[in-house]
Amino acid sequence: EDQVTQSPEALRLQEGESSSLNCSYTVSGLRGLFWYRQDPGKGPEFLFTLYSAGEEKEKERLKATLTKKESFLHITAPKPEDSATYLCAVPPQGGSEKLVFGKGTKLTVNP
Amino acid sequence: KAGVTQTPRYLIKTRGQQVTLSCSPISGHRSVSWYQQTPGQGLQFLFEYFSETQRNKGNFPGRFSGRQFSNSRSEMNVSTLELGDSALYLCASSLLLAGGHGVNNEQFFGPGTRLTVL
Repeated sequence: EDQVTQSPEALRLQEGESSSLNCSYTVSGLRGLFWYRQDPGKGPEFLFTLYSAGEEKEKERLKATLTKKESFLHITAPKPEDSATYLCAVPPQGGSEKLVFGKGTKLTVNP
Repeated sequence: KAGVTQTPRYLIKTRGQQVTLSCSPISGHRSVSWYQQTPGQGLQFLFEYFSETQRNKGNFPGRFSGRQFSNSRSEMNVSTLELGDSALYLCASSLLLAGGHGVNNEQFFGPGTRLTVL
């Protein structure tokens, strides 16, 4: 069964303290790995898509990387406004738009 | 470009009632997917529509149904509501390329409909 596991479940950082979130997946024939940010009571906001091992993408203080088994979301010098739940998702085998989501990492950045 | 819109944003219903939620995708997007989000289960896939056809269905009972119209707008219906149906229902749209094979495109989510069943 295709699975996505995110760790840690929750992470507290001080402003400026860099760290990484992990997303491991078990799906063969990866057709993309997606990172989203979700604020409380809102829909997920698209951040990145990664398609092949070794690929990296950056956006402001965030950088996403991909290997054959996992993806990392690196947060450099975070600010309180980066506080959110970060979700990763992969499409399972089958060729549809369905996404299998991890449970997310709730990030809190304290000033 | 306007994003994905969902109506209503909030709903309160009682057990046994039925509810219809609506989703308008981003202009030009022809694929619409629905997800249920709860604190315990996270985001769970309900179903996906493309060109008015259901392409995929998640592991939910038959009380959950949906449809897509010719303008790509979609609705989902939940009949005989149960307390456990209380959740945030999210709609996502994507620019599905012809044939839909190969890599997946990004899905963009709406703000969701918060359903509370009493």
